[in-house]
Amino acid sequence: GAVVSQHPSWVICKSGTSVKIECRSLDFQATTMFWYRQFPKQSLMLMATSNEGSKATYEQGVEKDKFLINHASLTLSTLTVTSAHPEDSSFYICSAVRLAGGTYNEQFFGPGTRLTVL
Amino acid sequence: AQRVTQPEKLLSVFKGAPVELKCNYSYSGSPELFWYVQYSRQRLQLLLRHISRESIKGFTADLNKGETSFHLKKPFAQEEDSAMYYCALSVGGGGNKLTFGTGTQLKVEL
Repeated sequence: GAVVSQHPSWVICKSGTSVKIECRSLDFQATTMFWYRQFPKQSLMLMATSNEGSKATYEQGVEKDKFLINHASLTLSTLTVTSAHPEDSSFYICSAVRLAGGTYNEQFFGPGTRLTVL
Repeated sequence: AQRVTQPEKLLSVFKGAPVELKCNYSYSGSPELFWYVQYSRQRLQLLLRHISRESIKGFTADLNKGETSFHLKKPFAQEEDSAMYYCALSVGGGGNKLTFGTGTQLKVEL
């Protein structure tokens, strides 16, 4: 168990358009999900914390109006990149927290979404 | 703010040789430390966490608060250990946000 999926796995879009990326926990409920961004040959940088039923918490320097996060259910969080520009091209990775109820909570990661903005 | 440093971008060892991937952190409180691994074309997955004090796939890591280090070790490297390894820090447990190091690519040669 504890599988996290992302859709799409890759997307190419034109500059100025918006792109939505989905993150789903397939076999567990996740009140908390995280969105990370990874540049080529670099580490994962946390963008925001997505909490079911409430507003996302963004890290310093991340534009909340550009990266819209919606966590409408216990198994789905979405990241929408609005008015995308070439500098938004990156690998976006989500993780979902499975609560262990007495042992250790753990984050499970999705496979990532490659966004290319032309 | 917390910070995780992995000084080596690439570590190349021969099969059967010992492996040590270095990780240092800075945080004024008591963080939780993790090692994540990413095999080729696969997603990131948890390898081990310091509070569980386990040995996973022959790897161990001990938290040294005096040196603020959490180095990953394995006595005998195997070819299947070749992967990208990330050290990460969390404040408040594995369900909280993670700060990642820049990663070390481990290459085990025959």
